[in-house]
Amino acid sequence: GDSVTQMEGPVTLSEEAFLTINCTYTATGYPSLFWYVQYPGEGLQLLLKATKADDKGSNKGFEATYRKETTSFHLEKGSVQVSDSAVYFCALSGKAAGNKLTFGGGTRVLVKP
Amino acid sequence: GAGVSQSPSNKVTEKGKDVELRCDPISGHTALYWYRQSLGQGLEFLIYFQGNSAPDKSGLPSDRFSAERTGGSVSTLTIQRTQQEDSAVYLCASSSLQGLWTEAFFGQGTRLTVV
Repeated sequence: GDSVTQMEGPVTLSEEAFLTINCTYTATGYPSLFWYVQYPGEGLQLLLKATKADDKGSNKGFEATYRKETTSFHLEKGSVQVSDSAVYFCALSGKAAGNKLTFGGGTRVLVKP
Repeated sequence: GAGVSQSPSNKVTEKGKDVELRCDPISGHTALYWYRQSLGQGLEFLIYFQGNSAPDKSGLPSDRFSAERTGGSVSTLTIQRTQQEDSAVYLCASSSLQGLWTEAFFGQGTRLTVV
């Protein structure tokens, strides 16, 4: 079945540092890919998405490119802020699996001033 | 409604009691998901509804857990004879089937504490 693997955290970095969170997936067909974010004390919210190969999703300075050849959807941000401290979840949804939403285990990111 | 609504937001129950958690999805969304998030853990898939049917119940931890959805809208997750290990935040999400992608919208969750 479908699965998502993302790097384990916690990831601790300083303000203005470059952030990368790796995400790879296994799926039948052509799934849609997502990054969700959970800020401290808040609910899950969609950060960005990509629906087909080579699409780039972007939001709030974050970017991720749908790489079908490497089955990856790595999340990047060039200069993080303290307010980016959160748990980030990579996810996929595909028609082949009945559009069930499958999540990775989450990566906790802590940005220090 | 404007978003996914879950109730109650917090629930404290005694071990052995039954609890019901409610999810009211966004109007018109045909897919509904239940997940569980334990302290410091990731998202554990429980069950997925497409309309009123549940094509995937693979995540339900035991036969003490059940869920139903009526009228293609509201869903109820029931936990019978609760145990302390059931303590977690139970999240509900809904999505519509449009084209190739399905963005899921999450509720705020129900924090269940079994004492």
